[in-house]
Amino acid sequence: NAGVTQTPKFQVLKTGQSMTLQCAQDMNHNSMYWYRQDPGMGLRLIYYSASEGTTDKGEVPNGYNVSRLNKREFSLRLESAAPSQTSVYFCASKRALAGGQETQYFGPGTRLLVL
Amino acid sequence: AQRVTQPEKLLSVFKGAPVELKCNYSYSGSPELFWYVQYSRQRLQLLLRHISRESIKGFTADLNKGETSFHLKKPFAQEEDSAMYYCALLDTGRRALTFGSGTRLQVQP
Repeated sequence: NAGVTQTPKFQVLKTGQSMTLQCAQDMNHNSMYWYRQDPGMGLRLIYYSASEGTTDKGEVPNGYNVSRLNKREFSLRLESAAPSQTSVYFCASKRALAGGQETQYFGPGTRLLVL
Repeated sequence: AQRVTQPEKLLSVFKGAPVELKCNYSYSGSPELFWYVQYSRQRLQLLLRHISRESIKGFTADLNKGETSFHLKKPFAQEEDSAMYYCALLDTGRRALTFGSGTRLQVQP
């Protein structure tokens, strides 16, 4: 049981290049999320997927697209990378527990540098 | 719009001293609040949630609706508590988390 996995761990891009960040979870969770973490700003929600086949914008979706390929996988694509997208990207999935309790499980992060 | 504020970027204490990490929130409904922790070179993980009224690793947090606060406390800090701590509020519409900017706790020997 690997939990939430992300690839790659680190990536350097030039402005204008594209890339896809991969995320997978093996916990059979319905909901998955992409956040970005920037110094002094905490984590901000980019996109989320409440279930397979659905995706919705979060707080900072501009410049990104997502695909919920199946229940396990949720990818984040940068079509034309910009220096402002230099950040650490975290994928998460959520387990909903009885009584309204829920826990998000995070991946190890992808560190992206856009030059 | 909902918001989570952690006013301290860095909190440095000595081992054995009490710790209080501050968190204030703004939310129009009934809040669901969490504390997440990120140890060095590890992934973000849940520390505790207010709805459970639990104590994890000696940490507790009480929701004060009057002061809109959810401060994290521990009576005696340990060196292994050194980490980045994030307060988070559940967006009940998106079922996603709104995070504060985080507080780095340094526990010195």
